[in-house]
Amino acid sequence: NAGVMQNPRHLVRRRGQEARLRCSPMKGHSHVYWYRQLPEEGLKFMVYLQKENIIDESGMPKERFSAEFPKEGPSILRIQQVVRGDSAAYFCASASGSRHENTGELFFGEGSRLTVL
Amino acid sequence: KQEVTQIPAALSVPEGENLVLNCSFTDSAIYNLQWFRQDPGKGLTSLLLIQSSQREQTSGRLNASLDKSSGRSTLYIAASQPGDSATYLCAVRPKRGSNYKLTFGKGTLLTVNP
Repeated sequence: NAGVMQNPRHLVRRRGQEARLRCSPMKGHSHVYWYRQLPEEGLKFMVYLQKENIIDESGMPKERFSAEFPKEGPSILRIQQVVRGDSAAYFCASASGSRHENTGELFFGEGSRLTVL
Repeated sequence: KQEVTQIPAALSVPEGENLVLNCSFTDSAIYNLQWFRQDPGKGLTSLLLIQSSQREQTSGRLNASLDKSSGRSTLYIAASQPGDSATYLCAVRPKRGSNYKLTFGKGTLLTVNP
């Protein structure tokens, strides 16, 4: 029973390029969350998605960042025209519908570490 | 706005010592509190989840307590081992509003020396 899978684990981009980070939730999970961990900071909520729906994107910068969770395939966090300040670890977490409501337990992936040169 | 603080920021102990990590939060209206472990360059591993109605949870050498009224939680690690070296994160889930958003502390970096 595979856990939350994220790729790439490490990504290097030059300023102005695009970064795409992918997340496959645990089997049977339909809720996906993205968190960002900046250097020396705690994890911060970015966006909450269910299949084909963005539930809450209040933690995501209004420009250059977008997220999707299509009917088929992984969730994708997309960062356009990256800047140095985007360098961080991006974590994906998933939860099942019913279990999420009962226990509130999230399961995290190993993260994607973005470095912007 | 919920704020989570973890003290100390870093802790170094000799192997075999019992230790306590502290977590405090400003808004006591929480749904639950979760302790995670994060190894360098790795993801988060859930250690213990305490519901707001519970006082403590235990798993092996770990014991987490919750005092919701005072806004505090502690993670007790018994007989520490070098393999326990990692960053320990505390996160709370709010009871009201967007209760799917965890608020994390910055963590305590634990080093257990052989």
